[in-house]
Amino acid sequence: DQQVKQNSPSLSVQEGRISILNCDYTNSMFDYFLWYKKYPAEGPTFLISISSIKDKNEDGRFTVFLNKSAKHLSLHIVPSQPGDSAVYFCAASAIDNQGGKLIFGQGTELSVKP
Amino acid sequence: EAGVTQFPSHSVIEKGQTVTLRCDPISGHDNLYWYRRVMGKEIKFLLHFVKESKQDESGMPNNRFLAERTGGTYSTLKVQPAELEDSGVYFCASSQWGLATISGTDTQYFGPGTRLTVL
Repeated sequence: DQQVKQNSPSLSVQEGRISILNCDYTNSMFDYFLWYKKYPAEGPTFLISISSIKDKNEDGRFTVFLNKSAKHLSLHIVPSQPGDSAVYFCAASAIDNQGGKLIFGQGTELSVKP
Repeated sequence: EAGVTQFPSHSVIEKGQTVTLRCDPISGHDNLYWYRRVMGKEIKFLLHFVKESKQDESGMPNNRFLAERTGGTYSTLKVQPAELEDSGVYFCASSQWGLATISGTDTQYFGPGTRLTVL
């Protein structure tokens, strides 16, 4: 039973354009969401996060949107750069899980072409 | 500041053998997590240590997996005996507080992972 889903395994975007990565979740207890970025042969690195009390969080070129009613979040990258090419993982955690364990999606491989 | 390190980076063993993976968290981080990614699927939580104690081991697949964290420093994950379905990349992560609150979750810093192949 996968609680966090990223239905697009891959995405290809032209440099300078917007990249939109999507994520859906099923567990209504999730109240904190994160995006991690992963390069080959490296571990995931934290990118940006959002609490369930917000619907948008922005950090430079990266913006995360949360739609709680639809149980959907998205990551926007504008403008996309070739260095953004990586696998992006959506993750969620729940306040009743005091340990902070993360539930991840399958990842979306983003390719930004020059 | 040194990041999370894992050893070995790769391990190839035969079914039925034993393998031990090691993780050294960031110094001062009490919380240590093990995750696994199998065949390009999602990264799955295995267990969580707070110092030397197991806080949550709900993700451990079965009793062939044994995790320890001696003295609250480095951690080992032993698989004995290994099966084909144990193949995957094992990630370790550490965080300072390990809290999940409405304002956020303490950032988990991941190691580069150990790629385990069971033949």
